[in-house]
Amino acid sequence: GAVVSQHPSRVICKSGTSVKIECRSLDFQATTMFWYRQFPKKSLMLMATSNEGSKATYEQGVEKDKFLINHASLTLSTLTVTSAHPEDSSFYICSARRTSGNTIYFGEGSWLTVV
Amino acid sequence: GIQVEQSPPDLILQEGANSTLRCNFSDSVNNLQWFHQNPWGQLINLFYIPSGTKQNGRLSATTVATERYSLLYISSSQTTDSGVYFCAVEGGVPYNQGGKLIFGQGTELSVKP
Repeated sequence: GAVVSQHPSRVICKSGTSVKIECRSLDFQATTMFWYRQFPKKSLMLMATSNEGSKATYEQGVEKDKFLINHASLTLSTLTVTSAHPEDSSFYICSARRTSGNTIYFGEGSWLTVV
Repeated sequence: GIQVEQSPPDLILQEGANSTLRCNFSDSVNNLQWFHQNPWGQLINLFYIPSGTKQNGRLSATTVATERYSLLYISSSQTTDSGVYFCAVEGGVPYNQGGKLIFGQGTELSVKP
């Protein structure tokens, strides 16, 4: 069964609004989660590292004020796309490492469309 | 940082054929995983294989860490194998950061009936 769950799987929002995507580790605690973005026909690009109880670490070129990350508990990280623009439309996916073992698991991903 | 290159970028197979996908990486790694991304975007973990050989049904993978490459073998391919296959690595010291994966560009596989 799923180890990491993401919600919503699809969301459509209007330009200028904000949208929140949740990433949950289902049966383990994750002090660190990762957020990726994928454009059509492209690979996954790491956006940021979400750290429980502290600020997220953003990759170069990622706007921290646009992509707000909150990791308020050991099982939940959220990504909020603020003042969304059509160019923010993309596939967003999160990951976490299970505490037992080294395998990294991904959520189902979230398709964001900004109209 | 670590560079990950996958080949070929695209592959078309007739159902029943075998194939080999390759992943080269530029430095030592703590973790290497192969994923299959289905048409809905979901990443299915195929193998955790930083070294050695593993098999799971019609799929097998081999990583030769000293030579910095990994191979994914698909035998007797089926139409349901279609999709994009990604190799992703987590760097060793000084790159390892608790689960940060660097992805290759993927191989898009199309299996025709």
